[in-house]
Amino acid sequence: EAQVTQNPRYLITVTGKKLTVTCSQNMNHEYMSWYRQDPGLGLRQIYYSMNVEVTDKGDVPEGYKVSRKEKRNFPLILESPSPNQTSLYFCASSLSRPAGELFFGEGSRLTVL
Amino acid sequence: KNQVEQSPQSLIILEGKNCTLQCNYTVSPFSNLRWYKQDTGRGPVSLTIMTFSENTKSNGRYTATLDADTKQSSLHITASQLSDSASYICVVSATGGGNKLTFGTGTQLKVEL
Repeated sequence: EAQVTQNPRYLITVTGKKLTVTCSQNMNHEYMSWYRQDPGLGLRQIYYSMNVEVTDKGDVPEGYKVSRKEKRNFPLILESPSPNQTSLYFCASSLSRPAGELFFGEGSRLTVL
Repeated sequence: KNQVEQSPQSLIILEGKNCTLQCNYTVSPFSNLRWYKQDTGRGPVSLTIMTFSENTKSNGRYTATLDADTKQSSLHITASQLSDSASYICVVSATGGGNKLTFGTGTQLKVEL
């Protein structure tokens, strides 16, 4: 089954404790991206990757890092989480470009205390 | 600045009734417009895609329209069902510059008995 898998789905952590949210897709998609979704603000892009070893900042990259060492994986790293990073996070992938259909993961709800 | 505005912000209708959701955009140069459906606690799923030359496109009980001159799109839901309760997100893609996407904040639809 074609899918984008995120882990963990739910996480409560404390300020400053490094964490990684994994994202994996099995559709051989070139484009992958991370979004955060907050009430009233909609989906905002954090980082995106057009292909392996090619990443770029989205609209709200501060406090986040990403890497794309393999085509299927695109982890999101919070080196020192802060309470303002409490949010619902979505990973998405597209065959070749963001204008194509985005396939989203199920979301990861993160709470930073 | 590219923007996508959706209205209404929220909507409650009775099962079996029709409704229309609106999306106005200022994205330029325009590539395409997608409507996504996001069920509570799930990732968004694409419903339709509209390109510059398309005026109307249907997907079952969902019909999207596009007026590229006025930069408006609508999503019409016919004979609503309880399962239509969700957030509907309008996403507009611009050509060039990494094919950037601009997301609307969504319309929250609730279908009641």
